[in-house]
Amino acid sequence: EVQLVQSGAEVKKPGESLKISCKGSGYSFTSYWIGWVRQMPGKGLEWMGIIYPGDSDTRYSPSFQGQVTISADKSISTAYLQWSSLKASDTAMYYCARPPYPTKDIVVVVALDYWGQGTLVTVSS
Amino acid sequence: QSALTQPASVSGSPGQSITISCTGTSSDVGGYNYVSWYQQHPGKAPKLMIYDVSNRPSGVSNRFSGSKSGNTASLTISGLQAEDEADYYCSSYTSSSTLESVFGTGTKVTVL
Repeated sequence: EVQLVQSGAEVKKPGESLKISCKGSGYSFTSYWIGWVRQMPGKGLEWMGIIYPGDSDTRYSPSFQGQVTISADKSISTAYLQWSSLKASDTAMYYCARPPYPTKDIVVVVALDYWGQGTLVTVSS
Repeated sequence: QSALTQPASVSGSPGQSITISCTGTSSDVGGYNYVSWYQQHPGKAPKLMIYDVSNRPSGVSNRFSGSKSGNTASLTISGLQAEDEADYYCSSYTSSSTLESVFGTGTKVTVL
């Protein structure tokens, strides 16, 4: 069974760093893109970026380029999303998600058929 | 890359059909047959309902159908049921971003 299991909720202060995780199981982790999606409270879905664990090819949405870092550790089938200095505006639910096909062709990320349960990040002084 | 445009809300009575639009440009919706639709219930992760404009993943009800005309894609829900009340998002491939994918603004579906 394919599963994406994300790390638990976090409460942080502005300026602190954070790294959240998404562990894949039940499939070949290195063969599928994994994406990160932000959902601010009461708002819509926003693409943050994606990574292909097989070769660490990483793409960012222009809005998030330079604001976050996406990485993956193939040895433990885990993708990461990290911040070096959090802001109150980073308060949101963060989802990882995977497309249905094992291919490097990036068009497949338009369809995400497996999602993690979400990680709620709260940034408050 | 701007989000695709969806109506903020659509409503219908049980048993009726409703259609949600998703408007983009020739660089995304109009240029490629890579449009997906997601359903999201409160407090839950999104669920893929339609991919490649009109294909349903296994297990998705055939009451959900997708189509596209020009720069606008559409999701139709027929035989509306109470459990269809949720937020719906479209997504499209785009040539205007290094990420090459963009979401719509989202539509709240209310079953009256």
